[in-house]
Amino acid sequence: SYELTQPASVSVSPGQTATITCSGDNLEERYVFWYQQKAGQSPVLVIYQDNKRPSGIPERFSGSNSDNIATLTISGTQSMDAADYYCQAWNTTALCVFGAGTKVTVL
Amino acid sequence: EVQLVESGGGLVRPGESLRLSCAASGFTVSSNFMAWVRQAPGKGLEWVSVISGGGTTWSAGSMKGRFTISGDNSRNMTYLQMNSLRVEDTGIYYCTRAIRFGAIWFFDLWGQGTLVTVSS
Repeated sequence: SYELTQPASVSVSPGQTATITCSGDNLEERYVFWYQQKAGQSPVLVIYQDNKRPSGIPERFSGSNSDNIATLTISGTQSMDAADYYCQAWNTTALCVFGAGTKVTVL
Repeated sequence: EVQLVESGGGLVRPGESLRLSCAASGFTVSSNFMAWVRQAPGKGLEWVSVISGGGTTWSAGSMKGRFTISGDNSRNMTYLQMNSLRVEDTGIYYCTRAIRFGAIWFFDLWGQGTLVTVSS
C-alpha cells in the first residue's frame, strides 16, 4: 500500500522557519495537500496542489514538491502555529492517503 | 455561513450499526463532492468515503462493504451508514466538503466531528 512518511515532531523558535517534510514513492508526480490541526479542533486546509494557499491562510505558509519530497514551510513561525500537520496525496490503488502527522512545537 | 454539522455519534457495542448525519449550510451538496474522514483517538487522519452530487461513491478498501456513504440533496444532507462496527472503528468522524481536481480530491471545509465509540 502507498505510504507518506512525515517526521513525528519538529521544534522551532518563535520567528524562525519550520520545515515539515512528507516523502513517498513518485510523490513529485502527484499533488500534495497539507492540513493543520490544532489541539481539540478540526483540521484546516493550509496548502493545496503542492503550493497554493486557500483564502485566509497567512503568507508565511508555503509548500513545494520535488524529488519525491513535499515540504511545508512556515516562515516567521508564531506561537499560534503550534499544531499537528498532515500531508495528503492520492494513489490509484489506495485512493486517498494521509501521512501520520508532524507535531510542530513552538518553543 | 458556510458550515458542516455532524450528528449521530455515540457508544455502541461491537457488531452493531450506527448512522452518522452531516447537515450542510451556506452551499448545496448537490453541486459538490462530500466526504467522511475519521481519526482514532490520538492518531492521524484516515479517509473513509466520498460521494458526488449525483450519487457516485468511492470508498477506502478497508471499510468497503461495512460503511456506506449516501446523500439527500433535498435536505442538503450527507450520511454515513456504519455496519458491523469494530472496536478499531472508534474515533472522531469528520464530514468534509471535497474539491475535485482531475481524478483526485482535497478537503476544504470540515465539520466539528462526531465521536463514535465501539466498546463492549
